[in-house]
Amino acid sequence: DIVMTQSPDSLAVSLGERATINCKSSQSVFYSSNNKNYLAWYQQKPGQPPKLLIYWASTRESGVPDRFSGSGSGTDFTLTISSLQAEDVAVYYCQEYYGSLYTFGQGTKLEIK
Amino acid sequence: EVQVVESGGGLVQPGGSLRLSCAVSGFTVSSHYMNWVRQAPGKGLEWVSIIFNDGSTYYADSVKGRFTISRDDSKNTVYLQMNSLRAEDTAVYYCARDSYSRYWGQGTLVTVSS
Repeated sequence: DIVMTQSPDSLAVSLGERATINCKSSQSVFYSSNNKNYLAWYQQKPGQPPKLLIYWASTRESGVPDRFSGSGSGTDFTLTISSLQAEDVAVYYCQEYYGSLYTFGQGTKLEIK
Repeated sequence: EVQVVESGGGLVQPGGSLRLSCAVSGFTVSSHYMNWVRQAPGKGLEWVSIIFNDGSTYYADSVKGRFTISRDDSKNTVYLQMNSLRAEDTAVYYCARDSYSRYWGQGTLVTVSS
């Protein structure tokens, strides 16, 4: 089974500054046959279900602000928030959907400094 | 409009059983991958199970042999039969559509306690 490891576990960033969350998979989630990375990012706020932000590692979901971006390939991925807003305080999860068993990272709690 | 609504949660004793339902509208469950994902109180997300559109099913190691995912196409509903429940199965259980899930329900709380 693929293990997803996020870093850091928690992060405090000043408003307007950049926030960067990393996600590493124990094996590649890249399919060469279609040139896609099977990696998604979610945002979860208290009392709410997760919200899809990014899929295929770098495709932004419709309606998600363009300050959110995803990058990386193979085993190493990054979610970047270019200019942190107050409403971005949440827990962020990466998820692989490469095989038949999907796995989430442990989550990164993002707060305002 | 797509809607996903879970039900069936509640308090159950260790060793007991519970069946969760995920009723959907706005799409047909037989045309999509459907997942169950859970979240223990104060913890992260844990993927539990999936039923693919061809009917094949897969489970996390933590629930394999105890949980069964199924669907009723006539009712447009997905189920999670949970047997031999343990305290560590206590969580909010979410139903979510597709591999990368843009549609989630609000979740149903399962509490396993004596």
